[in-house]
Amino acid sequence: DTEVTQTPKHLVMGMTNKKSLKCEQHMGHRAMYWYKQKAKKPPELMFVYSYEKLSINESVPSRFSPECPNSSLLNLHLHALQPEDSALYLCASSQGRGGRSEQYFGPGTRLTVT
Amino acid sequence: AQKITQTQPGMFVQEKEAVTLDCTYDTSDQSYGLFWYKQPSSGEMIFLIYQGSYDEQNATEGRYSLNFQKARKSANLVISASQLGDSAMYFCAMRGAGGFKTIFGAGTRLFVKA
Repeated sequence: DTEVTQTPKHLVMGMTNKKSLKCEQHMGHRAMYWYKQKAKKPPELMFVYSYEKLSINESVPSRFSPECPNSSLLNLHLHALQPEDSALYLCASSQGRGGRSEQYFGPGTRLTVT
Repeated sequence: AQKITQTQPGMFVQEKEAVTLDCTYDTSDQSYGLFWYKQPSSGEMIFLIYQGSYDEQNATEGRYSLNFQKARKSANLVISASQLGDSAMYFCAMRGAGGFKTIFGAGTRLFVKA
């Protein structure tokens, strides 16, 4: 099973709202990722968790707050977002780090900030 | 610094024909991995194929093969017997040894004509 699930599939939120994106994998992967993807662009890395600890934060604004409650779950908490934050948010997981460790992606959450 | 270049913004191919999507890369690492991902309009990034820098043989996965020319730093994806369902965005990507970061190219949009 190479499935990564993400909920919700679509999300519309106002700039004062608080919402969360959820990601889950059951492949036993120890690294999990959040990416942001704008239309017709490649994904941009936001955060990486390794063994449930934050390893990489790509200078993401604090209105995005990641959380890794356990090795299978990854959340992205959203607060006071801006319209330019509207994008496809992809979660991914991999066995570990390094060149051989391919990432498996979820279907994404399409976020619209109004 | 690592870099991936995909010079074909869009490609057309007739159904049942083969197509080559170009990818060149730049890295100072000796050990690295090269990946191709497919992204349909639904948004999910689908892992297609992997090539390690020390692999002597070109990778193949079903109708996908990777034409790896290390001296030229190219990793072209060949899709044989194109199908309508192959219409999608294709991303070439690279990951260095020991790292979490995956560098993506700008992508090539493939259109398969009936």
